[in-house]
Parts: sequence; C-alpha cells; structure tokens
Amino acid sequence: AQSVAQPEDQVNVAEGNPLTVKCTYSVSGNPYLFWYVQYPNRGLQFLLKYITGDNLVKGSYGFEAEFNKSQTSFHLKKPSALVSDSALYFCAVRDGGYNQGGKLIFGQGTELSVKP
Amino acid sequence: SQTIHQWPATLVQPVGSPLSLECTVEGTSNPNLYWYRQAAGRGLQLLFYSVGIGQISSEVPQNLSASRPQDRQFILSSKKLLLSDSGFYLCAWTRTFEAFFGQGTRLTVV
Repeated sequence: AQSVAQPEDQVNVAEGNPLTVKCTYSVSGNPYLFWYVQYPNRGLQFLLKYITGDNLVKGSYGFEAEFNKSQTSFHLKKPSALVSDSALYFCAVRDGGYNQGGKLIFGQGTELSVKP
Repeated sequence: SQTIHQWPATLVQPVGSPLSLECTVEGTSNPNLYWYRQAAGRGLQLLFYSVGIGQISSEVPQNLSASRPQDRQFILSSKKLLLSDSGFYLCAWTRTFEAFFGQGTRLTVV
C-alpha cells in the first residue's frame, strides 16, 4: 500500500530563515506526491505536486519541493519563512489511478511555527 | 472556475441523533468525490470515495454512510451518532491529480 511519513511533529523557524518540512514515501510504481497546508479550522489548501519531470517543483506562496527518488523523499522548502506561513502541513501520495478512485493518503502532518 | 461548498460549518448533535452533511461542487463534471475525517490532533482518515453517481466505496467500516445522488453532490449520513463520530469532516473533489477541499464541518456529538 502507498504511504507517506512526516518524521517531525513540529518545526520551528525564525522569520527570514529557510524552512524545510520533511516527507518520505513508500509506493509501488511511480509516485504522485502532493503538499497541502491547513490553517486552523479550515480545509486543506493545495500547494504543489510532483507527477513527473523536474525534481524541483515550484508551488504557491513561494514554496517548492524536491523529489529525491534514491532517498524516497519529497521535502517541502521555502527560502525565507514568513510568520504567516505558520500552519499545519501535510504530505500526501495518490493511491490508485483516477478511475480507481485516485485517493490521497496523507501523512500525520507537521506543525510549522515561524517566530518573528 | 471550480468551487466546492460544504455545510454546515459547525454542528452540535446529541448522541443517537441522525446526521446529514452535504457537499456540492460547481464548475466541473464527473469529479471523483471524497469524505475525510480529521480527529482531534491532525491525521486525515479517508472515509468514503465515489467515482460516479451511485458508486460509493467505503474505506473504514463504521457508523457512517455516504451517497452520491447527483454528479456533483456527495452526502455523508448517519442514522444514530456516537460520541466517537465527533471530528472535523472534509469533503474534496478531483478531476486530475490534486484534490481540492471544502472548508469543513466541525461536528461535536454530545
């Protein structure tokens, strides 16, 4: 079965510093990977995805992610963190093709805290 | 553009009462639809998904059911709520790869 793991429950970063939120995956076949952000009492917002092609994927709000096949990782990064980036971040992998449901399986989430 | 509507935003229900949460999608056709639950803490659990009208797949056997009476309508139901049904319920849709989520319903069973 497809799965993702987020090894850190919480990441603390100072504003202006680079941030990294880690994700590793376990899949059979080619992985379709995603990052989402959730603010308190809100739904999830899509940030970016890796389907194929360049290993560095750029997304919304200045975020990017690096796909590393040898390390089975898909870490989320941002060069300069903002206080407003503080939120809960989820990594996800698709399980099954679109006609089979195309379900997203999520990691447990990482709480990002950016301090001024 | 596509939008997803989910209501109500919050709901407080007594144990044993019925439940009906509704989700509708606008601006697309024949989407895959999903219901997730986020319990206290953070993990997202997939409850049901649907690839078409009347087609429902259940991921976890429990006190809930889902229906898709129309192409862009997805309903989550229960005949008798349990305390353990409390949580944050999220509806989502996709037509390609990424899924898009509604704003969620906070259900508290008392």
